[in-house]
Amino acid sequence: GDSVTQMEGPVTLSEEAFLTINCTYTATGYPSLFWYVQYPGEGLQLLLKATKADDKGSNKGFEATYRKETTSFHLEKGSVQVSDSAVYFCAQGGNTGKLIFGQGTTLQVKP
Amino acid sequence: DARVTQTPRHKVTEMGQEVTMRCQPILGHNTVFWYRQTMMQGLELLAYFRNRAPLDDSGMPKDRFSAEMPDATLATLKIQPSEPRDSAVYFCASGLVHRGILHSYNEQFFGPGTRLTVL
Repeated sequence: GDSVTQMEGPVTLSEEAFLTINCTYTATGYPSLFWYVQYPGEGLQLLLKATKADDKGSNKGFEATYRKETTSFHLEKGSVQVSDSAVYFCAQGGNTGKLIFGQGTTLQVKP
Repeated sequence: DARVTQTPRHKVTEMGQEVTMRCQPILGHNTVFWYRQTMMQGLELLAYFRNRAPLDDSGMPKDRFSAEMPDATLATLKIQPSEPRDSAVYFCASGLVHRGILHSYNEQFFGPGTRLTVL
């Protein structure tokens, strides 16, 4: 069945380091792809999205490119801040509106 | 600024008691989702509704959980009787799904969650 797999965390980085969180998916169709972020004590918030192959989603310095050939949607940021510490979820969605989430990756950024 | 609201934000109850959680989706959204989040299981989809009709509740323990949408502005998730293993954060999310389009703009907006503790 359709699924999303993320790299296991926690990921611990120093401030201003480069971030990559890997995400791959399996799907029978052509899903939309999303990254959500969850800050401590809060609900999930949409960080960025891409609706078709080769689209690049970007927001707040984060980027991810929809790669159909490698079925991937890796999240990147050039220079992380302490305030980026959170749990990041990769997800795919189809025509039903239902999202399939990965297991989440915890990012800890140290000053 | 449209937001999904959930009440209560925190609930502590004793085993066997009934628990009702409420969600107000964003006005105009036609799809509502209920999720449960725990450390062990991560984020699990319990049920979801489209235009107030239940589409899928296969993720929900049927014997004790029930989900309804009495009207377009209110979704409820009820547990009766509650058990300690139900302790979790329960999230409601809403979205607008355009049917018949190959790539649905199925972004979901999450509420702040209800943290449930069953003693």
